[in-house]
Amino acid sequence: GAVVSQHPSRVICKSGTSVKIECRSLDFQATTMFWYRQFPKKSLMLMATSNEGSKATYEQGVEKDKFLINHASLTLSTLTVTSAHPEDSSFYICSARDRGLDQPQHFGDGTRLSIL
Amino acid sequence: GENVEQHPSTLSVQEGDSAVIKCTYSDSASNYFPWYKQELGKGPQLIIDIRSNVGEKKDQRIAVTLNKTAKHFSLHITETQPEDSAVYFCAALAYSGAGSYQLTFGKGTKLSVIP
Repeated sequence: GAVVSQHPSRVICKSGTSVKIECRSLDFQATTMFWYRQFPKKSLMLMATSNEGSKATYEQGVEKDKFLINHASLTLSTLTVTSAHPEDSSFYICSARDRGLDQPQHFGDGTRLSIL
Repeated sequence: GENVEQHPSTLSVQEGDSAVIKCTYSDSASNYFPWYKQELGKGPQLIIDIRSNVGEKKDQRIAVTLNKTAKHFSLHITETQPEDSAVYFCAALAYSGAGSYQLTFGKGTKLSVIP
């Protein structure tokens, strides 16, 4: 089945550090990728949607300068948390969908980000 | 925009019994409804989905039903096993503007299967 690979699975770093998270679709071309944030015992909160070769669309309240998204190829999207602070600590999950609106959306295994 | 309500928030069943999770949605234009299982510390895994042109879909012990008129859909797990214990999310795909479609998720149901 379709696989989405996300790395790293866990990051612990000091406040002020920038952290990059990679999301790859392994066996399909993901024209659309999504980045979510999930707080403990809560549902998934969509942060942004990115289409290959174009700028990401951010949800209301999500700072585009804080969360930089790049979707340079059909199999890779990256999320960079710039100058991370403790309040950015969270579980970040990427998701990808193949060409065509009727294609299922698959998720990576998430990245646990802890900012000290 | 789309709004998805999911119930119950927690569900405990004895091993071997059935579990049912229900969701309602608000946007009548939504036409795709996936269900995801999320284990602790992992990302959501797609377990079954249904499109609006069918009323029911089954995959071994898992089934999903859809009532478009009432705008609700349900997940049914039969012969539950301890490994079914997880958080389950329902979702609905709806138009979000600017040519974009996105999933709206329910708040999740924590299913515990008691051996």
